[in-house]
Amino acid sequence: KQEVTQIPAALSVPEGENLVLNCSFTDSAIYNLQWFRQDPGKGLTSLLLIQSSQREQTSGRLNASLDKSSGRSTLYIAASQPGDSATYLCAVYNAGNMLTFGGGTRLMVKP
Amino acid sequence: GAVVSQHPSRVICKSGTSVKIECRSLDFQATTMFWYRQFPKQSLMLMATSNEGSKATYEQGVEKDKFLINHASLTLSTLTVTSAHPEDSSFYICSAVPGYQGGYTFGSGTRLTVV
Repeated sequence: KQEVTQIPAALSVPEGENLVLNCSFTDSAIYNLQWFRQDPGKGLTSLLLIQSSQREQTSGRLNASLDKSSGRSTLYIAASQPGDSATYLCAVYNAGNMLTFGGGTRLMVKP
Repeated sequence: GAVVSQHPSRVICKSGTSVKIECRSLDFQATTMFWYRQFPKQSLMLMATSNEGSKATYEQGVEKDKFLINHASLTLSTLTVTSAHPEDSSFYICSAVPGYQGGYTFGSGTRLTVV
């Protein structure tokens, strides 16, 4: 059974810092990995999707990497802003479009 | 981009009543939709997989008679919480996979409060 872990569970940083969120998974036989953002009381917004054959994806200040063999992905946020404050969720796809979520990292960027 | 619309966003109901939540794919067809439940400060847990024209597949521990799922068309899946109780209060989110995109798209969620 796939297990997804995100570290740290919570993070508080001053505005402007570059930061890294970590995601690890136990079963490396994944199809894709997706990073989401969730604001309090809201649904999920897709940030980046990495296909299993890819090593990284970039969108603006966000960069996500994937190392299937070691079961790890990182989400790098450059020059963090208060508007980046949210919960970031990592999710991996296995066979049958089964999506397994990590516990999330609650990020607070202080002005 | 692909959009999944979920309604209502917020509902309060009395204990013992039933509540229906709708999930629509607005610009794509979804033969499969997924229903998740999220408790405060926890991650999403898959409840069931909704299949158009056939029975839903429920995850272990999820009562199918309690959480009725209907996927009558390629763009609409509904989740009905029957005889709701306070312990059913939670955040329910649906999702689908637009085939051309390869990633999941989520609805905006429904906050259910049973009083």
